Amino acid sequence: GESVGLHLPTLSVQEGDNSIINCAYSNSASDYFIWYKQESGKGPQFIIDIRSNMDKRQGQRVTVLLNKTVKHLSLQIAATQPGDSAVYFCAENISGGYQKVTFGIGTKLQVIP
Amino acid sequence: NAGVTQTPKFQVLKTGQSMTLQCAQDMNHEYMSWYRQDPGMGLRLIHYSVGAGITDQGEVPNGYNVSRSTTEDFPLRLLSAAPSQTSVYFCASSQLAGVVEDTQYFGPGTRLTVL
Repeated sequence: GESVGLHLPTLSVQEGDNSIINCAYSNSASDYFIWYKQESGKGPQFIIDIRSNMDKRQGQRVTVLLNKTVKHLSLQIAATQPGDSAVYFCAENISGGYQKVTFGIGTKLQVIP
Repeated sequence: NAGVTQTPKFQVLKTGQSMTLQCAQDMNHEYMSWYRQDPGMGLRLIHYSVGAGITDQGEVPNGYNVSRSTTEDFPLRLLSAAPSQTSVYFCASSQLAGVVEDTQYFGPGTRLTVL
């Protein structure tokens, strides 16, 4: 919801440009990572995931890059559209079920038409 | 399929009141969970369930109770509401417990304000 979006880092991108959203994760033992999209007033929605034995994974218009050396994850959105406007956050997991997932705070993506 | 549904969408309580947040899923999922989302913080796990009759505590369980009498329903009870419980609450489910690669589906959320 809107109150969750306050105080978040914001990325403003022109429609049609590529977006890059970054995430620093905390635990070097994390072996699975997920990106979520959360539109205003809605619940989070799975976008893409990646295992620690990979450094890149592609989906439809999205690519996730993983740099384990510096514990950094990025989400690239190609040809950003107004419907991409949302809060994006990453999550990390250490070999277990969802009860062991740690969620990041998120970045607000604003697409300028 | 309706997916994960939550009621109510909005709720205002006075300190000390109790209430139940409802969550239901129609996907026959084993795993269900409750999170709270606060400004400046990531989602935090309150309670979770790996199947009917089985529940366990998450990161922030104090002040909340859950039960899982059926596969479909996973209500969250606030025993005596406090202003610190003002938050947005999300219910989520996934098909298999213990398999994080299995996509977790979230409900639309309940925005709770405690005065």
